[in-house]
Amino acid sequence: AQRVTQPEKLLSVFKGAPVELKCNYSYSGSPELFWYVQYSRQRLQLLLRHISRESIKGFTADLNKGETSFHLKKPFAQEEDSAMYYCALSGLVTGGGNKLTFGTGTQLKVEL
Amino acid sequence: DGGITQSPKYLFRKEGQNVTLSCEQNLNHDAMYWYRQDPGQGLRLIYYSQIVNDFQKGDIAEGYSVSREKKESFPLTVTSAQKNPTAFYLCASSLRRDSYEQYFGPGTRLTVT
Repeated sequence: AQRVTQPEKLLSVFKGAPVELKCNYSYSGSPELFWYVQYSRQRLQLLLRHISRESIKGFTADLNKGETSFHLKKPFAQEEDSAMYYCALSGLVTGGGNKLTFGTGTQLKVEL
Repeated sequence: DGGITQSPKYLFRKEGQNVTLSCEQNLNHDAMYWYRQDPGQGLRLIYYSQIVNDFQKGDIAEGYSVSREKKESFPLTVTSAQKNPTAFYLCASSLRRDSYEQYFGPGTRLTVT
């Protein structure tokens, strides 16, 4: 079974402070991990994926297989980063497809 | 703002009635998904379809039914057997069944009283 854990429901930081949104996973195979973001009154959308090893809007996330973690980080938080963030794990399902398992989400609030 | 559309945005029903939520996509995606979003529980997969005329149960399929008669459409019926139907429902699609990225619709908020 695959499982994603986001231990923080709410994370509040000041503008300019570093941000780290925690994500831990459980999966028996080789994981593919993602961060999705939902800004206020907007659709849920992909923020970044671990296989691309890219930085999007200043955010990065490194897959640590030893710690089974995929924490999302940004060195300096901006007000526009305030949103709900979901960590997701993609795993194989019957028929050869993929299934996304989402964590419970962390609401990031950046205060001035 | 095309891609995936869900209608209506808000839906109110009386307890005991079945209700069908619409999901349409014009992205030519093979796979489509239905999720339920509840506060503190994240997104949970209800049903998914990897190809037309085929669908599988997700993690919380009880009390729900789907059909996939057309590639563009994946309607979800919330039946009277669903014990706690009030929730925010999200539809998503992906290019192929083995694609990692999913594209989400705007959601339908269903309230059952």
